[in-house]
Amino acid sequence: QPVLTQPPSVSGAPGQRVTISCTGSSSNIGAAYDVHWYQQLPGTAPKLLIYGNNNRPSGVPDRFSGSKSGTSASLAITGLQAEDEADYYCQSYDSSLSYVVFGGGTRLTVL
Amino acid sequence: QVQLVQSGAEVKKPGASVKVSCKASGYTFTSYDINWVRQATGQGLEWMGWMNPNSGNTGYAQKFQGRVTMTRSTSISTAYMELSSLRSEDTAVYYCARGPWDSTRMDVWGQGTTVTVSS
Repeated sequence: QPVLTQPPSVSGAPGQRVTISCTGSSSNIGAAYDVHWYQQLPGTAPKLLIYGNNNRPSGVPDRFSGSKSGTSASLAITGLQAEDEADYYCQSYDSSLSYVVFGGGTRLTVL
Repeated sequence: QVQLVQSGAEVKKPGASVKVSCKASGYTFTSYDINWVRQATGQGLEWMGWMNPNSGNTGYAQKFQGRVTMTRSTSISTAYMELSSLRSEDTAVYYCARGPWDSTRMDVWGQGTTVTVSS
């Protein structure tokens, strides 16, 4: 059972906005550890999408944004495009476990 | 360009060991940690552990303690992950991923190595 909880799936039509939640606890997200997000296209390795809660690596479109509040974090995607169809994972650090933890992943379907 | 290139697919029998390599290029190998993450078919990402290539220090997820060993060869900028006492549940794609010392993020990933455990 993943330490961070994500919805298994979300969907949206092209051009719409979707959000993906990532819920943790007081020993990870709530303990002020950074949250990072990864995009995994089918058959490929994960790619860093958002780091440090709300920062985009060079080359990531500003349609992608991250936020964090309390024990939860969210990834927002605006102006949805067909190429955004992928699995998305959140990641943080857990002080009780003393290691990196991932969410279970969310599959985004572009309708 | 910065990249991590992993060794090829492996097929192992239960009880055997597997050693996956991860060759770094385009940056100073000893300036970033290397993480290992695995993904079973149709499943999510599972962090296995990390290694500091400069010091050789390691940290492993409790689940893998005693079965995993992460090492490196700085002369050839290559990290290794060896998993022993393989069982069918270890069948997965294994990724190495680079991480800055001051963050838990993983900013560059290898292409993945498929390990199949089957009798």
